[in-house]
Amino acid sequence: AQRVTQPEKLLSVFKGAPVELKCNYSYSGSPELFWYVQYSRQRLQLLLRHISRESIKGFTADLNKGETSFHLKKPFAQEEDSAMYYCALIETSGSRLTFGEGTQLTVNP
Amino acid sequence: KAGVTQTPRYLIKTRGQQVTLSCSPISGHRSVSWYQQTPGQGLQFLFEYFSETQRNKGNFPGRFSGRQFSNSRSEMNVSTLELGDSALYLCASSSSTGQGPSYNEQFFGPGTRLTVL
Repeated sequence: AQRVTQPEKLLSVFKGAPVELKCNYSYSGSPELFWYVQYSRQRLQLLLRHISRESIKGFTADLNKGETSFHLKKPFAQEEDSAMYYCALIETSGSRLTFGEGTQLTVNP
Repeated sequence: KAGVTQTPRYLIKTRGQQVTLSCSPISGHRSVSWYQQTPGQGLQFLFEYFSETQRNKGNFPGRFSGRQFSNSRSEMNVSTLELGDSALYLCASSSSTGQGPSYNEQFFGPGTRLTVL
């Protein structure tokens, strides 16, 4: 069965510092991975997906199949990045998302 | 386009009762998925409907059921409510075509907050 693990429930950094949110997965097939974000009082929304290989709001994530990781990175954190971040995996047989436990990121001024 | 809408936004029920939650997907989206969000278990997949058929189901008891109508609107029903069913129930829609794997973005609604007393 697929599983997504986010080892840090809480992460606090200062504005301008680099930030890395960790995500590890286990899946027997070839996974497709996503990062979703939930800002305060807003609905869950897609931040970026592995297949697009794009940078959104300065965030990037690289799929490392050897380490089964999909860490989210940003070189210079901003206060508006404070939010709950979820790593998610989609199985190749359908559209079922398996989420990690989430990491609450706080960027301090 | 209008986003995914869910009604009601808040609901309070007592143990043993049943509840029906509604979800209207983005216009043109035929895939609707339901998730349960709790502090202890996080986000867990309940089921997905596509063209009025359940395409995928999570590991929830039979008390949790759903359906989809011809206009793609979906409802989920929970019977014989338990205290542990208190959660935020999220609905998501996507433009999945129902053929093969779907990497289409899922758009989430604001959720229905269910409290079971």
